Amino acid sequence: DSGVTQTPKHLITATGQRVTLRCSPRSGDLSVYWYQQSLDQGLQFLIQYYNGEERAKGNILERFSAQQFPDLHSELNLSSLELGDSALYFCASSVDRTDNEQFFGPGTRLTVL
Amino acid sequence: AQSVAQPEDQVNVAEGNPLTVKCTYSVSGNPYLFWYVQYPNRGLQFLLKYITGDNLVKGSYGFEAEFNKSQTSFHLKKPSALVSDSALYFCAVREYNFNKFYFGSGTKLNVKP
Repeated sequence: DSGVTQTPKHLITATGQRVTLRCSPRSGDLSVYWYQQSLDQGLQFLIQYYNGEERAKGNILERFSAQQFPDLHSELNLSSLELGDSALYFCASSVDRTDNEQFFGPGTRLTVL
Repeated sequence: AQSVAQPEDQVNVAEGNPLTVKCTYSVSGNPYLFWYVQYPNRGLQFLLKYITGDNLVKGSYGFEAEFNKSQTSFHLKKPSALVSDSALYFCAVREYNFNKFYFGSGTKLNVKP
């Protein structure tokens, strides 16, 4: 158990809908990262937050947004969902914002029908 | 463009034999290099990292990796493979002074008894 929790574990929804994925980092970790893992795209870095502020942005679509709250938990919002958004979404956390290893949560499997 | 390449989709090795999982990278500046392992239906787990210093890095579960700057490689190795090492292995790179992470496509390691 990495100490990172993600909810829900599974999510099934329809195209055009909006969903929110939630992540709680390990105790003491200030950075939260979001990743998308799909069969055709592999593991893609989406975005990083550090202590409530956006730190780095990767291949995140404009339909997607994230935030980190004062208690350091984070939410990833996915809107206007398309079939191609079906994937496993991972959250990871690390102590700081630089070179320390990340601890990954178990992931949320999103299925868009 | 910054990238990470894992040239082998799959590596097969017999238990007790040495294993190597290959990774090459292309980034501007000095890289931070990582190896992660993913077991079925689980999040990624950190194995080891190279930031600076000795080119041979030792990590979890008996794994090690060698940083080769001239060949821009960071191959993962283990002297004696175990069946329980069978999993999906990801190489990742983070650019110094930048915060984006790039993951390789992953290499499936099969260790046969």
